[in-house]
Amino acid sequence: EDQVTQSPEALRLQEGESSSLNCSYTVSGLRGLFWYRQDPGKGPEFLFTLYSAGEEKEKERLKATLTKKESFLHITAPKPEDSATYLCAVEGTGFQKLVFGTGTRLLVSP
Amino acid sequence: DADVTQTPRNRITKTGKRIMLECSQTKGHDRMYWYRQDPGLGLRLIYYSFDVKDINKGEISDGYSVSRQAQAKFSLSLESAIPNQTALYFCATSDGSANEQFFGPGTRLTVL
Repeated sequence: EDQVTQSPEALRLQEGESSSLNCSYTVSGLRGLFWYRQDPGKGPEFLFTLYSAGEEKEKERLKATLTKKESFLHITAPKPEDSATYLCAVEGTGFQKLVFGTGTRLLVSP
Repeated sequence: DADVTQTPRNRITKTGKRIMLECSQTKGHDRMYWYRQDPGLGLRLIYYSFDVKDINKGEISDGYSVSRQAQAKFSLSLESAIPNQTALYFCATSDGSANEQFFGPGTRLTVL
């Protein structure tokens, strides 16, 4: 059974304090690993898709990396507007649908 | 205009009532999905449809049904609502396997 575990559950940072969020996964063949951002009361917003180990993608202050067992979302010099819940999801080759983790709630204080 | 819309955005109902949540999309995607989100449990798949004639159960389909009226429309029904169906419901679309899903703004449903 495909599974996704995200850590930490919550993270509090000062503005400019870089850190990383972790997404560990087990899947029977990886089609893709997805990162989403979700603001309170809103739908998840797509950030990145990673398809194979060693792949990296960047967008502004965010950088996502992928190994065979986990993915990291690195946040460099975060700003208060980066505060949100970050969701990780995987799609395995067995089923063409996403399995989500429970997310990491990030709060960046000025 | 939003690519994926959901109606209603908020709904309060009573136990035993029939409820329909509607989703429309203008992205032209064949694949549509219904999820529910509960605190601490993340997003869980209720039903999904890969085209108008294709409907599939997700991991938590009991107590729910769906209808794919057209490529652009996918409705979720609760035949007899119960309090533990209180949750945030999201519709999503995609244009293929391993492609990103685009989510609607959500419907907050409360069953008293």
